Amino acid sequence: DTAVSQTPKYLVTQMGNDKSIKCEQNLGHDTMYWYKQDSKKFLKIMFSYNNKELIINETVPNRFSPKSPDKAHLNLHINSLELGDSAVYFCASSQEAEAFFGQGTRLTVV
Amino acid sequence: SQQGEEDPQALSIQEGENATMNCSYKTSINNLQWYRQNSGRGLVHLILIRSNEREKHSGRLRVTLDTSKKSSSLLITASRAADTASYFCATDFRGGFKTIFGAGTRLFVKA
Repeated sequence: DTAVSQTPKYLVTQMGNDKSIKCEQNLGHDTMYWYKQDSKKFLKIMFSYNNKELIINETVPNRFSPKSPDKAHLNLHINSLELGDSAVYFCASSQEAEAFFGQGTRLTVV
Repeated sequence: SQQGEEDPQALSIQEGENATMNCSYKTSINNLQWYRQNSGRGLVHLILIRSNEREKHSGRLRVTLDTSKKSSSLLITASRAADTASYFCATDFRGGFKTIFGAGTRLFVKA
């Protein structure tokens, strides 16, 4: 069973569209994250949630809105997509220090 | 910036050789972790070293931590082609709710 699963794996969309990426973890972890990895492979934290509550918001544009309906899910909705949003987005979860990552969603905005 | 910075950015070695990657960070930490990322995949946790530890081993991995220099190193001994990947160090802030990753070292092991 996949511990942290994200859907979709690939997403190609036009500028201005709104899209969502879903993430689910079956590890029973309290903390979930969204990371963005750019073309240079730099991994940057976007959001951190603990028990459905937002803990960290790393000055991400408010076009990005995370939603956590329960502690096993953390979805990412992006409005008015821009070319610069093209990247790989990773969901992760942790209970203590070790983070478990999903396989990533490669978003391409054209 | 709080991010760790890995050095070198890229490393190419022959199978059987040892690979050493370094990481520097800027603020006090509770622990430091190393992760591996295979191309097109998510990150996988390798090893964690706490701030009160100086060295830790796991299989062919050896991690050192020097808190006075704010640096860590990851040594992979007897490398294999399957070790080809990017390696990231990560440090925790805000009680563990914020894990910051460096830019990674791309390791290429030639068979």
